[in-house]
Amino acid sequence: QKEVEQDPGPLSVPEGAIVSLNCTYSNSAFQYFMWYRQYSRKGPELLMYTYSSGNKEDGRFTAQVDKSSKYISLFIRDSQPSDSATYLCAMTLNQGGKLIFGQGTELSVKP
Amino acid sequence: EPEVTQTPSHQVTQMGQEVILRCVPISNHLYFYWYRQILGQKVEFLVSFYNNEISEKSEIFDDQFSVERPDGSNFTLKIRSTKLEDSAMYFCASSGWGATNYGYTFGSGTRLTVV
Repeated sequence: QKEVEQDPGPLSVPEGAIVSLNCTYSNSAFQYFMWYRQYSRKGPELLMYTYSSGNKEDGRFTAQVDKSSKYISLFIRDSQPSDSATYLCAMTLNQGGKLIFGQGTELSVKP
Repeated sequence: EPEVTQTPSHQVTQMGQEVILRCVPISNHLYFYWYRQILGQKVEFLVSFYNNEISEKSEIFDDQFSVERPDGSNFTLKIRSTKLEDSAMYFCASSGWGATNYGYTFGSGTRLTVV
């Protein structure tokens, strides 16, 4: 079983749609959860950071962590063509520890 | 906004040659990392560095790889004798954990092509 699993997509949605991106993980000791956005041949850009379970909202983005189900989600409201990118989930056991990444989901938002 | 700077952006080298990839982490971060991403694959951890020593390394980070923080600002990854399979994007990252400074920030990457 992979440590972090993420559907690679591609996922195509019309502009304005609500996008739901998800990851599952196997190690219940993970405590810090992150979502990154990556454009082609660029470095990952941090979007959301969550410690332990719960929800976090930032503008059009909402991150959810359900530690009991070992499942994390990223919701994008009112999606825009500029949101088209690959979205990576990542997690770590402790502050400063190595990040374990998912495969990444390729998202395309059509005008 | 503070950023992690990597140079060069693209490096082409012949198999067997040594390469040094350079990074300037965010100035008040204490943890430094190298990751790599082979085309079409996931981002993989190579090594973490804290308090002037390696704190963790992956099985990828074998004797061909080394890291150094030669001064107060630079952080380097050296590959001693490059192989074709070392071709990848290499990302430097740093992390800080203060009240307004948390999470991992990545650089734009160095694309290494071994021919």
